[in-house]
Amino acid sequence: QQQVKQSPQSLIVQKGGISIINCAYENTAFDYFPWYQQFPGKGPALLIAIRPDVSEKKEGRFTISFNKSAKQFSLHIMDSQPGDSATYFCAARGDSGSARQLTFGSGTQLTVLP
Amino acid sequence: GAGVSQSPRYKVAKRGQDVALRCDPISGHVSLFWYQQALGQGPEFLTYFQNEAQLDKSGLPSDRFFAERPEGSVSTLKIQRTQQEDSAVYLCASSEKPAGSYGYTFGSGTRLTVV
Repeated sequence: QQQVKQSPQSLIVQKGGISIINCAYENTAFDYFPWYQQFPGKGPALLIAIRPDVSEKKEGRFTISFNKSAKQFSLHIMDSQPGDSATYFCAARGDSGSARQLTFGSGTQLTVLP
Repeated sequence: GAGVSQSPRYKVAKRGQDVALRCDPISGHVSLFWYQQALGQGPEFLTYFQNEAQLDKSGLPSDRFFAERPEGSVSTLKIQRTQQEDSAVYLCASSEKPAGSYGYTFGSGTRLTVV
């Protein structure tokens, strides 16, 4: 069974601090690793994504760090803001089947205190 | 519309009832996915359509679940004889490219509660 393990389950950060969420995967054939942000009552929205041939990708305050040998990747949110309070999901795209569907982690509920 | 539209937003069904959930993808999008998101969990894949063809239904949990997209646009997920374990948010996502493209757009989902 393909799995993506995510931690922590919840995270509380002060405004201006750094939020770090970690994920680990098992299937070495995964070829695309996105992070999604989900607000209550809304569907997940793509935040940032990385391919395994790159070790880091930065977009604004959001950075993905990718360690292929350890099969781990993480999301760093710099200068965290109260508006960043949401649930974050890491995911990995499958390498087989016609759907090439995403396998999601279990989510991290981030709270940024003002 | 500008995004993926799902209806109804909320559905309460008595155990044993049949339900139908609708997804209007972004116009012209080739790929359409259905995911199931249990409370406090990440979405889990149910099924995939490329245009009107259902190419993967490996994630459907039982034969009570059925999905269709007859004209390659609107899709319906039908659940027969609903059970309490079917309670979840059902998410639809679409993409302009076939499966394997980088990223797709999710709708806001239908929250199904089976009582």
